[in-house]
Amino acid sequence: QSALSQPPSASGSPGQSVTISCTGTSSDVGGYNYVSWYQQHPGKAPKLMIYEVSKRPSGVPDRFSGSKSGYTASLTVSGLQAEDEADYYCSSSAGSNRVVFGGGTKLTVL
Amino acid sequence: EVQLVESGGGLVQSGGSLRLSCAASGFTFSSYWMHWVRQAPGKGLVWVSRISKDGSSTTYADSVKGRFTISRDNAKNTLYLQMNSLRAEDTAVYYCARDSYSSCTHWGQGTLVTVSS
Repeated sequence: QSALSQPPSASGSPGQSVTISCTGTSSDVGGYNYVSWYQQHPGKAPKLMIYEVSKRPSGVPDRFSGSKSGYTASLTVSGLQAEDEADYYCSSSAGSNRVVFGGGTKLTVL
Repeated sequence: EVQLVESGGGLVQSGGSLRLSCAASGFTFSSYWMHWVRQAPGKGLVWVSRISKDGSSTTYADSVKGRFTISRDNAKNTLYLQMNSLRAEDTAVYYCARDSYSSCTHWGQGTLVTVSS
């Protein structure tokens, strides 16, 4: 049950786009279309931003989008805003009702 | 409004036990799988366990298998995590979360468990 691989940090200026990757294996990301992305501000609980690779829950801005190719999923944040600065985590179904998270990426808005 | 409220955290000695609870409201609790996820201080999210709607199916991370037990009482709208043989590395904020589409769609505020060695 190794964690999914995410870059530890990412950054962009307001208005720019930034993409965060999440790499797994055939046993998780590559095997299922059940990749999710979460946003977590300091001291707060995580918030679901993307589910089933590319679907947005109600209330999540369409600036947030998700995709997947092979063993790598990606979260793109377009039109960066100051409030997007947070930690972002991916997760994937890993079979047999298991879930695996990524190590997290700290997004900085310059 | 979906609400999940964890309780039961605290300070415990290594080798000790603790039972966490998660009170659910604002939705039909018995219709959803549920998760426990933890986060050590300054670290990332780690999935701990998952339970089916009726409690008949449970799954655990390798790191807690044999020591932790997830359960639920649908009559009381409450999720539990019994933690035995606690270790220092179990120190974390423990979140309960509602499952939909194999995602954690709603989260509680978390409860801190500190294991002293």
